[in-house]
Order: sequence, then structure tokens, then C-alpha cells
Amino acid sequence: EVHLLESGGGLVQPGESRRLSCTASGFIFSAYAMTWVRQAPGQGLEWVSTITGSGGSTYFADPVQGRFNISRDNSKNTLYLQMSSLKAEDTAMYYCAKNGPSVTPSFDFWGLGVLVTVSS
Amino acid sequence: VLTQPPSVSVAPGQTATISCGGSNIGSEGVHWYQQKPGQAPVLVLYDDSDRPSGIPERFSGSNSGNTATLTISRVEAGDEADYYCQVWDITEEGVFGGGTKLTVL
Repeated sequence: EVHLLESGGGLVQPGESRRLSCTASGFIFSAYAMTWVRQAPGQGLEWVSTITGSGGSTYFADPVQGRFNISRDNSKNTLYLQMSSLKAEDTAMYYCAKNGPSVTPSFDFWGLGVLVTVSS
Repeated sequence: VLTQPPSVSVAPGQTATISCGGSNIGSEGVHWYQQKPGQAPVLVLYDDSDRPSGIPERFSGSNSGNTATLTISRVEAGDEADYYCQVWDITEEGVFGGGTKLTVL
């Protein structure tokens, strides 16, 4: 059974940094791209970043380009999202998701999410 | 940009259709997610019309021209949720529609 567990959320001051982690189990982690998706309170889903299975390629949404970095440690079955220069508009529930078997990227399993609140 | 109606209402047992509009979306693979309050999203369709394991056959999809459609037949109370369409666009970014709240009357 696929299981994804995010951690590292909390209250962060504007301008500060925070690293989120996502520990995966139940599948061959290195074989799948992984993605972060966020959802601001009361709002819709927003794609944040994707990394290929090897970690060799990464993709970022424009609002986080240059401030966020995605990485993975396949030996630890763990995905990371390093967030820096955080802004109030980064306040959201952050979900990690496993990329699915589709022709183009879809997200077939999701974690429960972790809340990041950026506020002074 | 993917455009979805903010809300759709349907009586139990009837058919719900949720649209996702985008320029030439028919040339892209569209995926659909269901999100119930306080829960993580669940993939209900991928590549326009394929169902992941465990998703009922009542969920179906189509995609042509500028509109993709999620159809839920014989709607049940448990189908009440927010539904999002999603594509991977030509600029290699994930894009979600704004979401549609399905209300079962």
C-alpha cells in the first residue's frame, strides 16, 4: 500500500526558510517522479514542483521559481521541498504526491498534507 | 488556464457533468481529482478517461476540442466534493482548473 507522510510544516516568519519532507513507502520510490502541490486556505489546488525519479530534472511553478528547491534522497525514500524567502502568499497546505502511470504527469497517491503558515 | 464552473448541482441518481475548458485542451491528457472537505485529493480519472483501481465505473470522461468533461452517472451522496481538472502543459508545468463544487441535492 502506498503511503506518503509529510512533515516540517508550521509557523514561519516572512523571509525565512523551511524544509518540508515527505517519506514514502509501498512502492519503488526511485522509479517515480514526485510532486508538491499546495492549497491556500479556502482555495483550489496549485502545482508547485516536480522532480523526476532520478532527481536529474526538476520543474517549478513561476511563483516559487528561484525561491523553492525540490530534491530527493532515493536511499531514504524521501522527498524534500526547501522553501526560502517565504511570503504570506505561500501560506498553504502542502501535499506531496506520487506521479501516476499516465502518459502526461498526473498524481495518483497523495499524502495528508502539512500546513505552512507564513506570518509575523 | 483551465476554466471550470464554480458549482454544479444534481439530484441523487441523476448524471452530473463537470466541464474543463482550455485552448485546444483536446490535444492534451486531462486528469481529474476529487477532494472531500478536510481530505487530500484523490485521482478519479487520468488520460482523459482511464480510471485508477478502485474508482467506480460511474466516473467517466471525454476530451475534445476546447473542452474536457467529467461525467458522474447515478450520482450518490458520497460523490459530493470539489472536483479539479489538471493538465501538464507545453511549458512543462502542472496546471489545475479552479475547481467545481458538486452538490448532491
